[in-house]
Amino acid sequence: QTVVTQEPSFSVSPGGTVTLTCGLSSGSVSTSYYPSWYQQTPGRAPRTLIYSTSTRSSGVPDRFSGSILGNKAALTITGAQADDESDFYCVLYMGSGIWVFGGGTKLTVL
Amino acid sequence: QLQLQESGPGLVKSSETLSLTCTVSGGSISSSSYYWGWIRQPPGKGLEWIGSIYYSGSTYYSPSLKSRVTISVDTSKNQFSLKLSSVTAADTAVYYCARHTGQAFDYWGQGTLVTVSS
Repeated sequence: QTVVTQEPSFSVSPGGTVTLTCGLSSGSVSTSYYPSWYQQTPGRAPRTLIYSTSTRSSGVPDRFSGSILGNKAALTITGAQADDESDFYCVLYMGSGIWVFGGGTKLTVL
Repeated sequence: QLQLQESGPGLVKSSETLSLTCTVSGGSISSSSYYWGWIRQPPGKGLEWIGSIYYSGSTYYSPSLKSRVTISVDTSKNQFSLKLSSVTAADTAVYYCARHTGQAFDYWGQGTLVTVSS
């Protein structure tokens, strides 16, 4: 069974730039997987940030951007702010109506 | 503004069937191009897609849960439902309902905690 991989944790300084990635245990992520990214703070439902690799959801600031980097999908946050400290999840479409979430990345801003 | 609200028992006994309903307001569940899904999150862990349904009734399930999951839709009530059979403690989680397209999950319910007790 295919596993979607994410860094378990990441740290960034306020104002800094960080890139989180979303890969596959076997193979490369491409736009055909329609990678999307979600931000979640404790006790809250996820918030959609990016869909179809690089399209920002309504109301999402442009310091969040999505791309394909090498063989992974990537979420880049530029000018990190304290309230960006949260969990970030990617999800990939595997075809045949099947979606798989990554394990999530806990981002610390300090 | 589209809103989704999960409802159902917060406590289910081990080996029994978990049943949840998601009520959609501010939009029609019969809209084409949209799917309606269930995602869960065990305490302190990540998100897991359980399955989805199209308004026409076509269903798609996670291979790891397929044998125990049934998702159905009631267009007259603008609701869709989840049934998960033979539950164990491992099924304890916050269960979210969500709308999605072929590209992303765009609207989420607030989530409901279901605890499986022995």
